[in-house]
Formats: sequence, structure tokens, C-alpha cells
Amino acid sequence: TQLLEQSPQFLSIQEGENLTVYCNSSSVFSSLQWYRQEPGEGPVLLVTVVTGGEVKKLKRLTFQFGDARKDSSLHITAAQPGDTGLYLCAGDRGSQGNLIFGKGTKLSVKP
Amino acid sequence: EAQVTQNPRYLITVTGKKLTVTCSQNMNHEYMSWYRQDPGLGLRQIYYSMNVEVTDKGDVPEGYKVSRKEKRNFPLILESPSPNQTSLYFCASSFDGAGYPGSPLHFGNGTRLTVT
Repeated sequence: TQLLEQSPQFLSIQEGENLTVYCNSSSVFSSLQWYRQEPGEGPVLLVTVVTGGEVKKLKRLTFQFGDARKDSSLHITAAQPGDTGLYLCAGDRGSQGNLIFGKGTKLSVKP
Repeated sequence: EAQVTQNPRYLITVTGKKLTVTCSQNMNHEYMSWYRQDPGLGLRQIYYSMNVEVTDKGDVPEGYKVSRKEKRNFPLILESPSPNQTSLYFCASSFDGAGYPGSPLHFGNGTRLTVT
């Protein structure tokens, strides 16, 4: 069974700090997506990474796909209260074209 | 506005009373899916559909039914709800299969179901 494990489960930091959250698996994924979910809303896609070793930047967010395509990280520089939310990673299971989600990292950025 | 619309947003019902949660998308997407989200368990896929009249079980299909008679709609049916189906449900759609690059999942805003 493919599993995606995210760590840490919870993270509470002060505005301006940097942080990294992780998404790990023993399985290889053809692509991996990161979503952010805010209370009362559905998840919203942040980025998709496809190539092993790929790095993508979205303003203060940096996403990296592991060389072996089994893991990924999300680094936030100078976190802001608006970054607060649940960060979910999701891996493509391949031929069926559907996703498996990790349980998420709940981030709280205090002003 | 491109969106996935779920109804209702909140629903309280009793054990055994059949209910339907509707889902509609206006983006002409081929792929649609239902997830449930529970504390400590994350998002788990219930059913998905790659196209009209094509549906497949996800990871937790027991107690649920779906249908895909037309491209835009993908209702979730609970024939005999039980308390363990109390959860937050999300419908999602994408152009060409979830996870494919360039085909992100678009989620609805969720339906919070309570079964007493």
C-alpha cells in the first residue's frame, strides 16, 4: 500500500521565521502535488513537481522533489500569518490517474 | 467563475435515512472524485470517475454509491447512513485525471455531514 507521511504534523512559529515541512514515502511517484487548505474551504493546488530533483519556487515557498521521486519538501522563507493553513502533499498513483494524500502539516504563523 | 459546487454545506441526519450530496463542476472536466476528511486520517478517496458512465472505487467505498450520468455532475449517495460516516466530504474535479501535470484537482468547499 502506498503511503505518504508528512512531518511535522503540527508547527507553530512566529512571523518572520523560516520552516520546512516534509513528505516522505517508500514508493516512487510519477508526480507529486502540494496543496494548502484553509478552514472551511477545500484544498487549493500550490505546485506540481514531476522530475526527480526538481525545484520550484512560488514567491517565498520553495518546493523540491527528491532525486528518487519518493519524497518532497516545502520550505517557507520569512513566514507570514497568511501562510497559516493545512499543507497537504499528494502523490500520483500512476495509471489510474488518481492521488493519494498525506495527512498534512498544520501550520500556524503568529504575528 | 470556474468552480466545483457542493450542496448542502452542512447536513445533520439520522441513521438509515438515505441522503444525496450533489456535486457539479462548470469546467468541462473529465475526472471527478469524492473524498472524506477525518481528523488524524487525512483525505481519503471514496470513489472517482474518469469519464461519463465510468466510476471506480477508491480507498474507502463501503457504504457509498455514486453515479456519473453526465459530465458535470457526480452525486454521492448514502443509502443507509451510519454514525461512522460522520465526516467532512469534498468533491473534486480535474481536466484529465488527478495527479497529471497540468491537470490539478479543483475542490469544492466541502459538506459537513453528521449522522446521529
